[in-house]
Amino acid sequence: DAGVTQTPRHEVAEKGQTIILKCEPVSGHNDLFWYRQTKIQGLELLSYFRSKSLMEDGGAFKDRFKAEMLNSSFSTLKIQPTEPKDSAVYLCASTPGHLYEQYFGPGTRLTVL
Amino acid sequence: GEQVEQRPPHLSVREGDSAIIICTYTDSATAYFSWYKQEAGAGLQLLMSVLSNVDRKEEQGLTVLLNKKDKRLSLNLTAAHPGDSAVYFCAVSLHDSGYNKLTFGKGTVLLVSP
Repeated sequence: DAGVTQTPRHEVAEKGQTIILKCEPVSGHNDLFWYRQTKIQGLELLSYFRSKSLMEDGGAFKDRFKAEMLNSSFSTLKIQPTEPKDSAVYLCASTPGHLYEQYFGPGTRLTVL
Repeated sequence: GEQVEQRPPHLSVREGDSAIIICTYTDSATAYFSWYKQEAGAGLQLLMSVLSNVDRKEEQGLTVLLNKKDKRLSLNLTAAHPGDSAVYFCAVSLHDSGYNKLTFGKGTVLLVSP
């Protein structure tokens, strides 16, 4: 079975640009998560979808971050406009139903100049 | 909300030694516990998970202990080898689904030297 795939693996953006990160969950998984990972803050939840419905929109990340799940096998995370503080690794994860057993993709490393 | 403290932040051991990582959590109603491993340039990989009715679980050289009284979760790599070098995270949640989320520890960088 294919695991969670994320593209691109690396992204470099200028401040103020719009970037879109993509995620394909494991086939058959109903839940999908987007996280931001930094050394200082650790893992922060950005969005959580259950069967394509948005369950958690990440509170503090709402203003410039928007995640969408267009179908059960594809999700995007848009950051608009980007700021240097958005430089981080963005991880996507999915699970067939157990919140505590998540399968992670390899991540996208975003650098904002 | 739930707070998770993980220690130590860095751990160096020799091949064959034990490596123990500990997490403490704050909410006594926490019911689900997991350990993840992250290798360089990769996402997190689920190692083991336990529910609150389990005190001890062993799998393939890993032992997870749960002490609900002290609100403490530990991971013991009983005979570490260099391939175990990675960052390890604990994660806990109150519920298994719904409007809920995993709370992660800040991670432990484990280095196993030959």
